[in-house]
Amino acid sequence: EVQLVESGGGLVKPGGSLRLSCAASGFTFSSYSMNWVRQAPGKGLEWVSSISSSSSYIYYADSVKGRFTISRDNAKNSLYLQMNSLRAEDTAVYYCARGGPTVTTLVAWYFDLWGRGTLVTVSS
Amino acid sequence: EIVLTQSPATLSLSPGERATLSCRASQSVSSYLAWYQQKPGQAPRLLIYDASNRATGIPARFSGSGSGTDFTLTISSLEPEDFAVYYCQQRSNWPQITFGGGTKVEIK
Repeated sequence: EVQLVESGGGLVKPGGSLRLSCAASGFTFSSYSMNWVRQAPGKGLEWVSSISSSSSYIYYADSVKGRFTISRDNAKNSLYLQMNSLRAEDTAVYYCARGGPTVTTLVAWYFDLWGRGTLVTVSS
Repeated sequence: EIVLTQSPATLSLSPGERATLSCRASQSVSSYLAWYQQKPGQAPRLLIYDASNRATGIPARFSGSGSGTDFTLTISSLEPEDFAVYYCQQRSNWPQITFGGGTKVEIK
């Protein structure tokens, strides 16, 4: 089955750190760019970060630049998001999403497969 | 940053009716626009990309049109499972990807 499964969310204090993981299965993970998209409670969608298939190209939203780091391990079919210096406004469900629908060595900027998300709550 | 404005915020319709959703960009995005459907407690699903191309497995009752700054998602005849929130997204100004605020299609 083609799927993405996120993990690693939880409650963290302001200024703290958290590492999210996304396990991919059912497709050739190493061929696709990957992304993180978040959704604050009751709000819309916000793009967070993207990484190309070989990790050659990495991009961040201004709101997380310098605090978050995206990475991937193609041997483990896994995507990661290291989140440091967390703020209350980072509270959201974080979705792992595959770039698509076309396969490219760059970054595909639509999101054609999504995980169910993991909730990150930043609160004292 | 390109701002996407979706209207209306809420659309109240009955099953079988036609739904027309609008997405307006603050500057031209050419045809680089996608539509997503999100049901409560679920992840979004890609419906349309590059303004008018249906994603894999998407029923033909969903269609997209438009270019430049004005786009439309049309659901020709609403099925019970179509009641959800719909978002547009532009990729023209990558990497500054932005989404619209969403339109909720609810049962009248």
